Amino acid sequence: QLQLQESGPGLVKPSETLSLTCTVSGDSITSSSYYWAWIYQPPGRGLEWIGTIYYSGSSYSGSTYYNPSLKSRVSISIGASKTQFSLKMTSVTAADTAIYFCARDREGVGTFDSWGQGTLVTVSS
Amino acid sequence: DIQMTQSPSTLSASVGDRVTITCRASQSISHYLAWYQQKPGKAPKLLIYGASTLEGGVPSRFSGSGSATDFTLTISSLQPDDFATYYCQHYHTYPYTFGQGTNLEIK
Repeated sequence: QLQLQESGPGLVKPSETLSLTCTVSGDSITSSSYYWAWIYQPPGRGLEWIGTIYYSGSSYSGSTYYNPSLKSRVSISIGASKTQFSLKMTSVTAADTAIYFCARDREGVGTFDSWGQGTLVTVSS
Repeated sequence: DIQMTQSPSTLSASVGDRVTITCRASQSISHYLAWYQQKPGKAPKLLIYGASTLEGGVPSRFSGSGSATDFTLTISSLQPDDFATYYCQHYHTYPYTFGQGTNLEIK
């Protein structure tokens, strides 16, 4: 059974870099049928897609697609073990305080059929 | 970006009621629309994709319809487990965007 689990610091200082990892079990990140995404949700607010990665087989970075509103600050990559993918967001501010979810994008069409439980990241000094 | 607007923002209903939530896209998205259910402290759960295709394991009291810019999610007979927040999401093109959510609460 597919499971996704986010991990990383729960507190990040303003202007620093947020780094999160999603560990995937029960399925392969390298499967050609799936893409892998990050989505976040500020407290009490709605959902926002951050970006998606697809393992292309040629490099660890994969093919990536980012929300233009965040593109200059985010990067998503696949770990060497091929069981994890990661999010880095630079120059964070209080507005980036949110619950961060990793999710599977079935067949890369944009429907998120499996999600991690989410991890709260607070940006504060 | 394509903007998704849901209505109402809050809906009060009783067990057994038939309820409908509306989602409107700022431009045509064909049938590339999904609906999610989210309960407090939990991740969203995919209910419907392709505007009207029920995800496996989702009760048949949930249904979706619409195309182009106007879509609806209908719950035919509300059950206690259905009180939650519902989001629509388009996947026509990047960037994917979500509606602001509809909070379905007990009357």
